[in-house]
Amino acid sequence: DTGVSQDPRHKITKRGQNVTFRCDPISEHNRLYWYRQTLGQGPEFLTYFQNEAQLEKSRLLSDRFSAERPKGSFSTLEIQRTEQGDSAMYLCASRENSWTEAFFGQGTRLTVV
Amino acid sequence: DAKTTQPPSMDCAEGRAANLPCNHSTISGNEYVYWYRQIHSQGPQYIIHGLKNNETNEMASLIITEDRKSSTLILPHATLRDTAVYYCIVRGDRDNNAGNMLTFGGGTRLMVKP
Repeated sequence: DTGVSQDPRHKITKRGQNVTFRCDPISEHNRLYWYRQTLGQGPEFLTYFQNEAQLEKSRLLSDRFSAERPKGSFSTLEIQRTEQGDSAMYLCASRENSWTEAFFGQGTRLTVV
Repeated sequence: DAKTTQPPSMDCAEGRAANLPCNHSTISGNEYVYWYRQIHSQGPQYIIHGLKNNETNEMASLIITEDRKSSTLILPHATLRDTAVYYCIVRGDRDNNAGNMLTFGGGTRLMVKP
């Protein structure tokens, strides 16, 4: 399968702990996006990478959130000092160009208890 | 990107055509209409997109009105597996700082019933 892969699929963590998620995009796609989705809502944009450069961050991305894409391939999203409000599905998407279709991963569902 | 308006939910009988409407009255000339769907607990899946001509692929048909202010996604023979949230998104074709990211609204929750 050469689709977008996300790991883990599910994560339960205690409030205050740090968590890190990984996204492996489709190999020839240089554009990578992170979204967050809460129950009953559509996905909301968090941040965007073109190759290894993080070009845009939403104001939803607080200081506790950091994303990297060190070699322009896989990406990680870290949340420090998690809060219950961080509970959501975190989705990763990639695309080859800005005008082509985006492919989404299955998401990582985070539950903060 | 122009805003879209969709009904929050719709039902459809299995085997019948599902017609999902979308209003995008502020769409501009270079903006495309995209449709994605999201099956429960999965990531969104691309369905189809168009500019002004009607489009058809193996999944669906997209009918865009002549004034481009609205469109309809048609699933010709809905199955139970088509039960999902369907998102209509309007997006330009030019890059921007956010990589021309997709802006999702609330979508339409389609329930296909036996």
